Amino acid sequence: EAGVTQFPSHSVIEKGQTVTLRCDPISGHDNLYWYRRVMGKEIKFLLHFVKESKQDESGMPNNRFLAERTGGTYSTLKVQPAELEDSGVYFCASSGHLSYGYTFGSGTRLTVV
Amino acid sequence: QKEVEQNSGPLSVPEGAIASLNCTYSDRGSQSFFWYRQYSGKSPELIMSIYSNGDKEDGRFTAQLNKASQYVSLLIRDSQPSDSATYLCAVITSSNTGKLIFGQGTTLQVKP
Repeated sequence: EAGVTQFPSHSVIEKGQTVTLRCDPISGHDNLYWYRRVMGKEIKFLLHFVKESKQDESGMPNNRFLAERTGGTYSTLKVQPAELEDSGVYFCASSGHLSYGYTFGSGTRLTVV
Repeated sequence: QKEVEQNSGPLSVPEGAIASLNCTYSDRGSQSFFWYRQYSGKSPELIMSIYSNGDKEDGRFTAQLNKASQYVSLLIRDSQPSDSATYLCAVITSSNTGKLIFGQGTTLQVKP
């Protein structure tokens, strides 16, 4: 079974540019999550999809962040325009059940310069 | 007060010893508790889950949960250098939406 796939693995962009991160969850997993870890801080929740619907987006920092999951399969997270404080590692995770621990992707390390 | 708290360490133990990692949480209604292991530059990997009070053993790992004290721990027996990593405690709170609240993680160093 393929795991959760994220790309790119690394992205370096200039402040003000746009970046789109992609996540392919484990096939059949309805629940898809985005998390972020900024340096020195704990991993923090961004949002949760159930199929194509946003179940909880309480962790999204501001309206520069836009997440989509068209068709309930892969998801994208767009940051536009990027700011320096957006730098960090963005993890995607998927789960077949709400209460069970889920599988994380390898993450995208975003650096905004 | 943070929702999930861990001592950041580093916790250093000799090879073969028992490593004890601790975590406290603030939401008394929390139902699901997880321990993830994260090697440097890698993604978190689920190693243990626990849902009810008491101990749960899986190989060299034992998770312990005490809901009255709002405390969850992870014991690693016969620690190996390959166990050196950051251990993340994560909790699904009473909202039960599946959202994980993470502690900051404890760095474990197992010395040969």
